[in-house]
Amino acid sequence: QKEVEQNSGPLSVPEGAIASLNCTYSDRGSQSFFWYRQYSGKSPELIMSIYSNGDKEDGRFTAQLNKASQYVSLLIRDSQPSDSATYLCAVTGGGADGLTFGKGTHLIIQP
Amino acid sequence: EAQVTQNPRYLITVTGKKLTVTCSQNMNHEYMSWYRQDPGLGLRQIYYSMNVEVTDKGDVPEGYKVSRKEKRNFPLILESPSPNQTSLYFCASSFSWGGRTYEQYFGPGTRLTVT
Repeated sequence: QKEVEQNSGPLSVPEGAIASLNCTYSDRGSQSFFWYRQYSGKSPELIMSIYSNGDKEDGRFTAQLNKASQYVSLLIRDSQPSDSATYLCAVTGGGADGLTFGKGTHLIIQP
Repeated sequence: EAQVTQNPRYLITVTGKKLTVTCSQNMNHEYMSWYRQDPGLGLRQIYYSMNVEVTDKGDVPEGYKVSRKEKRNFPLILESPSPNQTSLYFCASSFSWGGRTYEQYFGPGTRLTVT
């Protein structure tokens, strides 16, 4: 059974600071890694995808992947109150697997 | 606009009354999938489809059926709904190539209540 682990939080970060979200996964064969943002009662919204080791930056967001440690993270710079949401880490393997989701980290940006 | 649509958005029904939740995407994606989301359990995959006429079970398929007769549509069928199927349901789609799927895009969700 593939597992994706996230700290459920809540993670409270002051406005303007860097929010750091972490995720570990159990399947060493995983090849694709995603971060989704989900507001309460809404659908998950794709923020970042990363496929190879290292960092990938997109605006205020940076995804980091370390396959040897089976670890993926998301950094949010200059955090805004609108970033307050649940962040879902999702992982998939190389075959026809769907996404395996972590249960999410609830992030609160304090004004 | 590229999107995944689901209907209905909200549904209250009674135990045993067959229902269908429709899902449609306009991105010409090969891969489509259904998830349910429950408090404390997160998102769990019900069924997925790699292409037309190709479907397979996810992690929680019991009590559900799907079909993929057209590339754009992937309906979820509950033949005899039960209260434990009360949940928030999401359809998703993605591009697929070489047996690998990429970023999945989600529909707006269907909140189902079975009494």
